[in-house]
Amino acid sequence: EAAVTQSPRSKVAVTGGKVTLSCHQTNNHDYMYWYRQDTGHGLRLIHYSYVADSTEKGDIPDGYKASRPSQENFSLILELASLSQTAVYFCASRETGGDYEQYFGPGTRLTVL
Amino acid sequence: EQQVQQSPASLVLQEAENAELQCSFSIFTNQVQWFYQRPGGRLVSLLYNPSGTKQSGRLTSTTVIKERRSSLHISSSQITDSGTYLCAMEPSGSWQLIFGSGTQLTVMP
Repeated sequence: EAAVTQSPRSKVAVTGGKVTLSCHQTNNHDYMYWYRQDTGHGLRLIHYSYVADSTEKGDIPDGYKASRPSQENFSLILELASLSQTAVYFCASRETGGDYEQYFGPGTRLTVL
Repeated sequence: EQQVQQSPASLVLQEAENAELQCSFSIFTNQVQWFYQRPGGRLVSLLYNPSGTKQSGRLTSTTVIKERRSSLHISSSQITDSGTYLCAMEPSGSWQLIFGSGTQLTVMP
């Protein structure tokens, strides 16, 4: 079965600190995504990647960087964490081509104090 | 403008009643996915439905691409069905999902 894992599962960070969220997939999928979810809302796309060593901006990339060192791994980096980045972050992967669903990880709950 | 609209925003049912959740899109889509989420919990993919009707257990999704809408029917609701149901669509020519804000379902005993 397709598997997407995330670490850490939860994290408390201080304002101005650096935070790195990690995602690992064993699906052999080319596409990987980072979404954020704010309380009571749907998910919004931050960054995505369709090949190793390349990342693309999503709908809300400001304040975030992404890194795709390999097909399996995709990281989200907050260089200077801010209060407004408190949210749940989901990673997902998808096969290339049409008509394929996305598979999601369990999420990382980030609290910035 | 919100590209994915879900209705109703919240729904309260008695156990064993049926539920009908709606999703509409402002742009054309390749495919639709329905997800289930408990508060603060993991996303569970319920149905992936590019078009037509798909069924999984008590769940039935109907997507009409040319009308830019999809629905999720839950039959014989159970208390454990309570949670948030999210609709997401993939715009034509894009490989990202755009999510609606969800329908919060509460099933009462």
